[in-house]
Amino acid sequence: AQSVTQPDIHITVSEGASLELRCNYSYGATPYLFWYVQSPGQGLQLLLKYFSGDTLVQGIKGFEAEFKRSQSSFNLRKPSVHWSDAAEYFCAVGPTGGFKTIFGAGTRLFVKA
Amino acid sequence: DVKVTQSSRYLVKRTGEKVFLECVQDMDHENMFWYRQDPGLGLRLIYFSYDVKMKEKGDIPEGYSVSREKKERFSLILESASTNQTSMYLCASNPGTVNSPLHFGNGTRLTVT
Repeated sequence: AQSVTQPDIHITVSEGASLELRCNYSYGATPYLFWYVQSPGQGLQLLLKYFSGDTLVQGIKGFEAEFKRSQSSFNLRKPSVHWSDAAEYFCAVGPTGGFKTIFGAGTRLFVKA
Repeated sequence: DVKVTQSSRYLVKRTGEKVFLECVQDMDHENMFWYRQDPGLGLRLIYFSYDVKMKEKGDIPEGYSVSREKKERFSLILESASTNQTSMYLCASNPGTVNSPLHFGNGTRLTVT
């Protein structure tokens, strides 16, 4: 069955430090992979997506993610975190069955001064 | 820019009431979705629609129904609200191409007392 696992429920990072959020997926075919961010009180916003080609993809707000097929991973990274990056981050795979996108449980990022 | 608008940010309803959550998108998207978001569970798909008057059950359709009479509008209906339906509800849309990401509204936080 298709699934997405985000092992970290929450992470705390100091402002200016680097960030890596982990995502592992289980999917039978070539996956379409996404990272979304949800700021407090808001809906989800697309950060970046991977479909094919270069395994390192760049997104908005200085984020990037690397697709590693051998590890079934799609980890999100940012070299220097800003206080405004505090939010919840969701990894997703899909669509499966033509329409469905499967989301991980999310990782909440806290940024300390 | 795509805009998905959910009519209410907060709703408080009583057990047994019939509840309507409304969602409108302005980009002529084919697909529309209703998700439920609960802490630690990520997003779970309730229903989706790929065309006017067409709908498909998602992963957790019990206790919900939907209506799509016009392409831009997708309504979620709780026939008889229960306390376990207290949650954040997110509407989303996409154009319907196989790799298109989801565009989300800001969510409706529903409390059933």
